[in-house]
Amino acid sequence: GDSVTQMEGPVTLSEEAFLTINCTYTATGYPSLFWYVQYPGEGLQLLLKATKADDKGSNKGFEATYRKETTSFHLEKGSVQVSDSAVYFCALRESGGYNKLIFGAGTRLAVHP
Amino acid sequence: EAGVAQSPRYKIIEKRQSVAFWCNPISGHATLYWYQQILGQGPKLLIQFQNNGVVDDSQLPKDRFSAERLKGVDSTLKIQPAKLEDSAVYLCASSFQKLAGGRDEQFFGPGTRLTVL
Repeated sequence: GDSVTQMEGPVTLSEEAFLTINCTYTATGYPSLFWYVQYPGEGLQLLLKATKADDKGSNKGFEATYRKETTSFHLEKGSVQVSDSAVYFCALRESGGYNKLIFGAGTRLAVHP
Repeated sequence: EAGVAQSPRYKIIEKRQSVAFWCNPISGHATLYWYQQILGQGPKLLIQFQNNGVVDDSQLPKDRFSAERLKGVDSTLKIQPAKLEDSAVYLCASSFQKLAGGRDEQFFGPGTRLTVL
């Protein structure tokens, strides 16, 4: 079945460092891809998405490009802030079906001043 | 606009006891989802409702889990009897889509953290 694999955390960075969180997927058809963020004590929030190959999703300085040839959707940010500390989940939505999301295990990011 | 509401936020029970969780989706959202998030794992869909009908419950352990969405608004998820491996965060989400094949964004509630001792 479809699946998502994320790099293990935690990822610890200093403020203003460059961030990459790797995400690869296995899917039949042409899934849509998402990054969700979960801040402490809060629910999951959609960070960005891409619905077809070569699309780039972006929001709040974060970016990810849908790479069909490498089945990847890596999350990047050029300069992280302490407020970016959270758990990040990569997810896919199957091309058929009923809007079901399949999530990776999540990557915890800790940013220190 | 109010978000997805869930209660309780925390629950501790003994194994073999019963427990119920409540979810109130965003007003006007036709589709409601329950996810289970075990520590260290991503959320896994348990059941999806379209209005008050079940669209997908393929990963719901039906021998002990049940869910209902009477009147197509709020929903309850019940576990009876609970096992140790049911310890997890139970997330409720909703989306606007009126049709089962829709692709609208899912909005998540804060979750209920269940600990089974």
